[in-house]
Amino acid sequence: GAVVSQHPSWVICKSGTSVKIECRSLDFQATTMFWYRQFPKQSLMLMATSNEGSKATYEQGVEKDKFLINHASLTLSTLTVTSAHPEDSSFYICSAILTSGTQFFGPGTRLTVL
Amino acid sequence: RKEVEQDPGPFNVPEGATVAFNCTYSNSASQSFFWYRQDCRKEPKLLMSVYSSGNEDGRFTAQLNRASQYISLLIRDSKLSDSATYLCVVNSGWEYGNKLVFGAGTILRVKS
Repeated sequence: GAVVSQHPSWVICKSGTSVKIECRSLDFQATTMFWYRQFPKQSLMLMATSNEGSKATYEQGVEKDKFLINHASLTLSTLTVTSAHPEDSSFYICSAILTSGTQFFGPGTRLTVL
Repeated sequence: RKEVEQDPGPFNVPEGATVAFNCTYSNSASQSFFWYRQDCRKEPKLLMSVYSSGNEDGRFTAQLNRASQYISLLIRDSKLSDSATYLCVVNSGWEYGNKLVFGAGTILRVKS
């Protein structure tokens, strides 16, 4: 299947700092990528849809100024968690979509904010 | 009501058992349906797509009933390695941004 990578795989940071997470489609171009968040023992929740060359579309309740998304190329989307707080600690997963509609997920980034 | 509902389990079964998971979805406009598998602290991985005609992949059989908005997954001859959380996933189609909606997952534990 298609390969999606994420970097870093885990990060620990102090409260108030910003963290950038990268999502790359390695063997295909993706005009659309998605960012999800998963808290322990809960399902994945869609945060936003990242569109190459245009603004991201955020789900209800997700602060666009806190979770900055940039999709500058057909193979890279970045999510920046600004002024992170302990409640932002979570498992962040991106996915990229093929023209068939199938989504492939990155391996996830585990964020811990102290 | 949640858009996608699953029995959370856990289902504890012995090796070799047959186990079935059910899922219902609320959006009748949903276009495509999937089962994903998620191991602890890992990303979801596509197990199989689900078609109205039913489809089988080895020990796994998926069924879709659009009229009842119901999806099922049957696992035969369970292996220890099948232990995971199984996610029922629904895609509302390109018109709605191709968003995936995830069920909360059903935990399967296969024991020797």
